[in-house]
Amino acid sequence: GAGVSQSPRYKVTKRGQDVALRCDPISGHVSLYWYRQALGQGPEFLTYFNYEAQQDKSGLPNDRFSAERPEGSISTLTIQRTEQRDSAMYRCASSRSNTGELFFGEGSRLTVL
Amino acid sequence: TQLLEQSPQFLSIQEGENLTVYCNSSSVFSSLQWYRQEPGEGPVLLVTVVTGGEVKKLKRLTFQFGDARKDSSLHITAAQPGDTGLYLCAGVGGDDMRFGAGTRLTVKP
Repeated sequence: GAGVSQSPRYKVTKRGQDVALRCDPISGHVSLYWYRQALGQGPEFLTYFNYEAQQDKSGLPNDRFSAERPEGSISTLTIQRTEQRDSAMYRCASSRSNTGELFFGEGSRLTVL
Repeated sequence: TQLLEQSPQFLSIQEGENLTVYCNSSSVFSSLQWYRQEPGEGPVLLVTVVTGGEVKKLKRLTFQFGDARKDSSLHITAAQPGDTGLYLCAGVGGDDMRFGAGTRLTVKP
């Protein structure tokens, strides 16, 4: 596609529910990053992939968070048993390489009630 | 995990003033990127610096990478209201990219 696409743009869920956030990167981009961003703050690293391989997941807050990119393109960030503290903007970015320019999606704003 | 510290956290100035924001770390980076983010949007790359001591200019913006590749600065000359935004530095140390917390700049007309 022309840019990084994320869905849903907005998600409101009740505490305890599972949510899945999707990222469709720019075609051909090798690297895909997930970040979480609080209002007015810089992106907080969660995890990243090169192709289908998850290279680093050290930023995932706990084991309720997981991510996959099974075919090296679309990625899904899953949060199980959501809690209010999970409420944030979740941003995906893709890049031609793991050290190249990051192109960000519009983000998925998650609100946990 | 490389920790990038940006300062100041907030900066509010009048149109026409000059300013400098900083990005510091105790880690060495192979490269460092500066992004600007406007409200409701994702960050957009301004520049990448790779070589220690490197200086890059982008119109009224001047970026410098420290000799030891641990720090960087962004200087804006004659700031304009359109420069308002969140300025983020991102360092490449190992094989991933981590961001600082950002400097929120407001330029008043």
